[in-house]
Amino acid sequence: GESVGLHLPTLSVQEGDNSIINCAYSNSASDYFIWYKQESGKGPQFIIDIRSNMDKRQGQRVTVLLNKTVKHLSLQIAATQPGDSAVYFCAENITPTIDGQNFVFGPGTRLSVLP
Amino acid sequence: KAGVTQTPRYLIKTRGQQVTLSCSPISGHRSVSWYQQTPGQGLQFLFEYFSETQRNKGNFPGRFSGRQFSNSRSEMNVSTLELGDSALYLCASSQEGVSTGELFFGEGSRLTVL
Repeated sequence: GESVGLHLPTLSVQEGDNSIINCAYSNSASDYFIWYKQESGKGPQFIIDIRSNMDKRQGQRVTVLLNKTVKHLSLQIAATQPGDSAVYFCAENITPTIDGQNFVFGPGTRLSVLP
Repeated sequence: KAGVTQTPRYLIKTRGQQVTLSCSPISGHRSVSWYQQTPGQGLQFLFEYFSETQRNKGNFPGRFSGRQFSNSRSEMNVSTLELGDSALYLCASSQEGVSTGELFFGEGSRLTVL
């Protein structure tokens, strides 16, 4: 399988502060991206998605920014809460020209919310 | 609506054995994808099935195989298990299987190979 890195970056933020999680993606032709949250012992849970024809998309307390020039995604979480503590993954669909799913996931970032 | 269900949740096998994992997608979902998750390699795509046909495949050896039934339930099989196959195997379903569909993940099957 593809290598997606050996080390899990960690971000620690104070409760109530904003969090920014970054992700570099690999394929300039990828046209669809998703952010997932994975809590311990659970499967990844969808947070927000964005298509390549957009630069920004907002959800409830979350915003995703897409910079296609440098192949960079970011996830912003407003007013971070203890329940936001988890590992966050970005995923890109690397086969946009054919049907189906072939998502490549980033290595993940562990978010720790400090009281 | 029930979520994606994977069985078994935990299992232990020894090298050389084979294992079959099962996934029941969300009702109405026709696409089922399988992913392997390990601390070292992260989440890696194994394959995707849609309408009983394998539509996409990741870079895994032929020991890893799968199938999908007419009711969209899917199984994956790993033969001749190796220590490195120890991982969390995640199944995900989506409604139409198009390239911009949200994936709904199950809780995974944690395989330990001794």
